[in-house]
Amino acid sequence: DVKVTQSSRYLVKRTGEKVFLECVQDMDHENMFWYRQDPGLGLRLIYFSYDVKMKEKGDIPEGYSVSREKKERFSLILESASTNQTSMYLCASSLLGTGGEKLFFGSGTQLSVL
Amino acid sequence: GDSVTQMEGPVTLSEEAFLTINCTYTATGYPSLFWYVQYPGEGLQLLLKATKADDKGSNKGFEATYRKETTSFHLEKGSVQVSDSAVYFCALSGNSSASKIIFGSGTRLSIRP
Repeated sequence: DVKVTQSSRYLVKRTGEKVFLECVQDMDHENMFWYRQDPGLGLRLIYFSYDVKMKEKGDIPEGYSVSREKKERFSLILESASTNQTSMYLCASSLLGTGGEKLFFGSGTQLSVL
Repeated sequence: GDSVTQMEGPVTLSEEAFLTINCTYTATGYPSLFWYVQYPGEGLQLLLKATKADDKGSNKGFEATYRKETTSFHLEKGSVQVSDSAVYFCALSGNSSASKIIFGSGTRLSIRP
């Protein structure tokens, strides 16, 4: 089975800090995604990547950036954390197909910004 | 743009009751449709999917049929169990290699013994 590993389950940071969320997948998937999950809003796509060094903005990229230097690793960066970025962050990966590919999710990182 | 609307929860049922969670979508072209499930403390996992009109996806006793005429993909199960308690997400994906996957807001299901 594919494993998608997120580096931290819980994280507490202060306003203004630079925050790195790491995600690693072990099945050679081309596509990787970062979502945030908030009650009543479901999952909203922040950024995704379909190849090394490639990135595409999702629906809510403001305040975030990403890095994909290696195929298996996709990092989400909060340049200057703010309280409205307190959320559950979910990483996912999938094969590069013709659409309709199954997403494999990590367990999530609950980030609190104080 | 593309969107997914699903019934708001929470939904509370007794064990062995019949379950329906409604999902409708707006999309250009012919998207693929999915139901994902999130058990407590875990990430999402795919429950079932359908890639073209009139396809029926099924898994673990759950079913959903891709209805293009009503733009719907309702999730059903004939007899729910306590272990089905989770949050259920409807989602759609376009049919190109760089398509985004768009999720609904999720429906929390609780099953009473």
